[in-house]
Amino acid sequence: KNQVEQSPQSLIILEGKNCTLQCNYTVSPFSNLRWYKQDTGRGPVSLTIMTFSENTKSNGRYTATLDADTKQSSLHITASQLSDSASYICVVSFTGGGNKLTFGTGTQLKVEL
Amino acid sequence: NAGVTQTPKFRILKIGQSMTLQCAQDMNHNYMYWYRQDPGMGLKLIYYSVGAGITDKGEVPNGYNVSRSTTEDFPLRLELAAPSQTSVYFCASSGTGGWYEQYFGPGTRLTVT
Repeated sequence: KNQVEQSPQSLIILEGKNCTLQCNYTVSPFSNLRWYKQDTGRGPVSLTIMTFSENTKSNGRYTATLDADTKQSSLHITASQLSDSASYICVVSFTGGGNKLTFGTGTQLKVEL
Repeated sequence: NAGVTQTPKFRILKIGQSMTLQCAQDMNHNYMYWYRQDPGMGLKLIYYSVGAGITDKGEVPNGYNVSRSTTEDFPLRLELAAPSQTSVYFCASSGTGGWYEQYFGPGTRLTVT
């Protein structure tokens, strides 16, 4: 069964600090991996999309890494801001599934002063 | 360019009632999707459509129906509402193929009592 697991479940950091969120998946055959940001009460918004041949992809202060051999990905947030407080969701697409996605349960990040 | 819009934002239904959740997009996307998000769970695909007149079941279709008469609109129908359908519903759209980013609407929070 295709699964996506994320850790930690929740995280609190001080403004200005960095943090790294983890994602492990068992989706096969793998097509691409995405990270979404979901603010409270809003729909998810895409941060990055990576194929198995990409190791790293950045979007401003967000950097995603992918190790397709170990089926692991991470999202690194640099110099966190209060507006980074949100749920970060790892999402995997499998080959032959059209554009159907398997969603993780998310990491709830809170950035405090 | 409004993107993906959903109505209503909130709704309370009594058990056994029916309703239609509306979804529209103005990006000329062929693919449209309906998801539900339960607390602590990843988004689950209910139904999707690859173009006007074509729909297919996702992971959790029971208790729902859809239609796609135009490219822009993709309504979700709940017949005989049950407490298990209490959830947040998201509509999304994307270009054709497994690579395209999915754009999400703001969601509809539905409570069935």
